[in-house]
Amino acid sequence: QVQLVQSGAEVKKPGASVKVSCKASGYTFTSYGISWVRQAPGQGLEWMGWISAYNGNTNYAQKLRGRVTMTTDTSTSTAYMELRSLRSDDTAVYYCARPNSGQQLAAVDYWGQGTLVTVSS
Amino acid sequence: DIVMTQSPDSLAVSLGERATINCKSSQSVLYSSNNKNYLAWYLQKPGQPPKLLIYWASSRESGVPDRFSGSGSGTDFTLTISSLQAEDVAVYYCQQYYSTPLTFGGGTKVEIK
Repeated sequence: QVQLVQSGAEVKKPGASVKVSCKASGYTFTSYGISWVRQAPGQGLEWMGWISAYNGNTNYAQKLRGRVTMTTDTSTSTAYMELRSLRSDDTAVYYCARPNSGQQLAAVDYWGQGTLVTVSS
Repeated sequence: DIVMTQSPDSLAVSLGERATINCKSSQSVLYSSNNKNYLAWYLQKPGQPPKLLIYWASSRESGVPDRFSGSGSGTDFTLTISSLQAEDVAVYYCQQYYSTPLTFGGGTKVEIK
């Protein structure tokens, strides 16, 4: 069965960086991309971007460009999301998610369990 | 960016009764070349990731009970729960995947009356 297992919770200081991992199993990793979605406490869902696990192409949300980098390691079927220059409003649960087709313009049928990133001095 | 507006913000329905959630997009999410609406519905329970219910506006995800149905086209969409069950208490989100950035509605909280 398809599973996305994310790394554990992180506490970071303002200005620091965080890198969240997402290990995929149960499907051919390079046949799909990975989207990243975050959710601030008590708030709605925000799409951060998408990476193709086939060729590494990325598409980032405009508001995060310059601070976010998404990568994949096909040898371990793992996706990574790094966010730099953290601010307090980056405090959120970060989800990796698999769109239900090989394209980024698709609904998401599988989600990781979420990784809480807390930014606090 | 396409703005997704859901209504109501919250909804209290008696067990076994119908629940209806609306979602409006700021521009059409109907792709003319394939006549598909790039609209999905999810539910999210506290402490859990979202779960896909409906995609292409009206296609039910595998394993989703048939009391959940989606309808609409263009800019106006509806999620209907035909007979509310206790396990349906959750926040429901619509999402457009017509163009990036993919965007979500603000959510509708469904509770038992």
